[in-house]
Amino acid sequence: GAGVSQSPSNKVTEKGKDVELRCDPISGHTALYWYRQSLGQGLEFLIYFQGNSAPDKSGLPSDRFSAERTGGSVSTLTIQRTQQEDSAVYLCASSLGRRGPNSYNEQFFGPGTRLTVL
Amino acid sequence: GQNIDQPTEMTATEGAIVQINCTYQTSGFNGLFWYQQHAGEAPTFLSYNVLDGLEEKGRFSSFLSRSKGYSYLLLKELQMKDSASYLCAVRESGSYIPTFGRGTSLIVHP
Repeated sequence: GAGVSQSPSNKVTEKGKDVELRCDPISGHTALYWYRQSLGQGLEFLIYFQGNSAPDKSGLPSDRFSAERTGGSVSTLTIQRTQQEDSAVYLCASSLGRRGPNSYNEQFFGPGTRLTVL
Repeated sequence: GQNIDQPTEMTATEGAIVQINCTYQTSGFNGLFWYQQHAGEAPTFLSYNVLDGLEEKGRFSSFLSRSKGYSYLLLKELQMKDSASYLCAVRESGSYIPTFGRGTSLIVHP
């Protein structure tokens, strides 16, 4: 379809391993966001991309977390040396982002990757 | 920073009307969003308010009062499928990034 896609849908890993989560935004959307959601919690902002650059990384919880975006499209969120507290659903969203920040910019969310760290 | 507050859980009866409130504190306001999230699924956009007043969209309406830092989502003619979490999100001036509240879990029963 034409929506935001994420892979894998589920990831189970052992503590200390590295994981990579992928997001394919809607074609033409220049803004891309990563959030995580723990059970019963709200959406926690991680990082925002405009094109390939990340003007706001303020939500990344530690230096074990990093993200990149290439070609203004696909983004990868990498978590190194995973810990049990990293277990959550990682959601990616995209929006048009072409107009200034004082505009609608509705976010379209992907289905998420459920990460479980044993 | 922002502080967004909404009730944790609400219950209502099929066919009834329910109002979900959201209060916020922000240094500069540039829009409020409501999203619906069914269990195990991604949030989907419901409404956007940037000016005071009521925006109606079918069975769902959203209201904003900027001076009071207050919004509500009104759901009419409730259906069982409306059982979901409703997320309020506020965007600050000059930012692309809305901050989300913890969400209100709505349970609709027969």
